[in-house]
Amino acid sequence: SAVISQKPSRDICQRGTSLTIQCQVDSQVTMMFWYRQQPGQSLTLIATANQGSEATYESGFVIDKFPISRPNLTFSTLTVSNMSPEDSSIYLCSVRLRGGNSPLHFGNGTRLTVT
Amino acid sequence: AQKITQTQPGMFVQEKEAVTLDCTYDTSDPSYGLFWYKQPSSGEMIFLIYQGSYDQQNATEGRYSLNFQKARKSANLVISASQLGDSAMYFCAMREGLGANSKLTFGKGITLSVRP
Repeated sequence: SAVISQKPSRDICQRGTSLTIQCQVDSQVTMMFWYRQQPGQSLTLIATANQGSEATYESGFVIDKFPISRPNLTFSTLTVSNMSPEDSSIYLCSVRLRGGNSPLHFGNGTRLTVT
Repeated sequence: AQKITQTQPGMFVQEKEAVTLDCTYDTSDPSYGLFWYKQPSSGEMIFLIYQGSYDQQNATEGRYSLNFQKARKSANLVISASQLGDSAMYFCAMREGLGANSKLTFGKGITLSVRP
């Protein structure tokens, strides 16, 4: 497996501000996936981040709201912009270490509360 | 249509007994994989077990086994000899295709409570 470090682990933010979440992996990975888990809900994919190219966003998520950076094979950031209380969620980064049928491994998540 | 369906309400099981958590899926892709994850109250996502669409045998991993019925499109998780630490949310997920950027789609999850 891999060690996936997410920062911050939790934060309480004011409406209208932005928060950048960092994800660091201890090995090089091609694809990183950012998920959102709203309170009591399942995980929803926000975007897929490939090193050296623009992230691919899922339906309902846009780059202006959730800009993603992927400067190298071990690091990525997700920014939640112009936050509202509806953005209160757990945000998780995940990686696939190998191709084929290998599972996604997740960081411990960032618990975001927007007041 | 939902790709992954988990419809059981909260499940309860007595410690040391076995429990089955249901999962049905929908896909037209012949190559897919099914995954189960555990999410305790701490929030981390823990990978439990994997079943590939072409696998002939049901996957097993310690106390976890997967009852894979391809024709019925079901992939139920069986936990044997339940322990108090098994109390958590359990998510079934599917990956369609084997490309590097193929994503996981998660079901809504099932809450399992193990009674002492």
